[in-house]
Amino acid sequence: GENVEQHPSTLSVQEGDSAVIKCTYSDSASNYFPWYKQELGKRPQLIIDIRSNVGEKKDQRIAVTLNKTAKHFSLHITETQPEDSAVYFCAATSTGANNLFFGTGTRLTVIP
Amino acid sequence: DGGITQSPKYLFRKEGQNVTLSCEQNLNHDAMYWYRQDPGQGLRLIYYSQIVNDFQKGDIAEGYSVSREKKESFPLTVTSAQKNPTAFYLCASRYRLAGVGELFFGEGSRLTVL
Repeated sequence: GENVEQHPSTLSVQEGDSAVIKCTYSDSASNYFPWYKQELGKRPQLIIDIRSNVGEKKDQRIAVTLNKTAKHFSLHITETQPEDSAVYFCAATSTGANNLFFGTGTRLTVIP
Repeated sequence: DGGITQSPKYLFRKEGQNVTLSCEQNLNHDAMYWYRQDPGQGLRLIYYSQIVNDFQKGDIAEGYSVSREKKESFPLTVTSAQKNPTAFYLCASRYRLAGVGELFFGEGSRLTVL
């Protein structure tokens, strides 16, 4: 089955700096890669996703890149703000899979 | 207002007792899931269901049971056989089981076994 590894487990950045979270996956059949954000005490919510037919997707200060050959994808947050502080989960799945396979999460702290 | 509702939010139980966590959705989603969240371990799948009266074990199903008698409801029972039940439990749903699509989560239930 699919195995998703996520790094780093914790990340602290100064407000205004960029943050990068990286994930690798093992199953070459995976073709959908969402990212979820979980603020303290709240439910995880989808913030961005990418499909395997594109290499990059951007939504305001958030971008995701995908390297299918190397089987890794990354979340980039620019101009970080305190409200970006949360736990971020990457995930991978394929069209025929019944489940999303999650990484272990990254706790991002943005220091004002 | 569409969404997923989990209850209770906090639950305390003594060792050896079974507890049932409720999950209801009004999104008309076919697929429903239960995840367990522990610090540093991400989201681990307990059970999932594609349709009424059908459900499948996930990666850590031992000590848990579920039912899916209605499309909207997917309750999880944490049995006394679960060796380490203290955790945060998340219910989720998606339009359909297979393929791509956003997973919608409930707000979670935190179970503490004393």
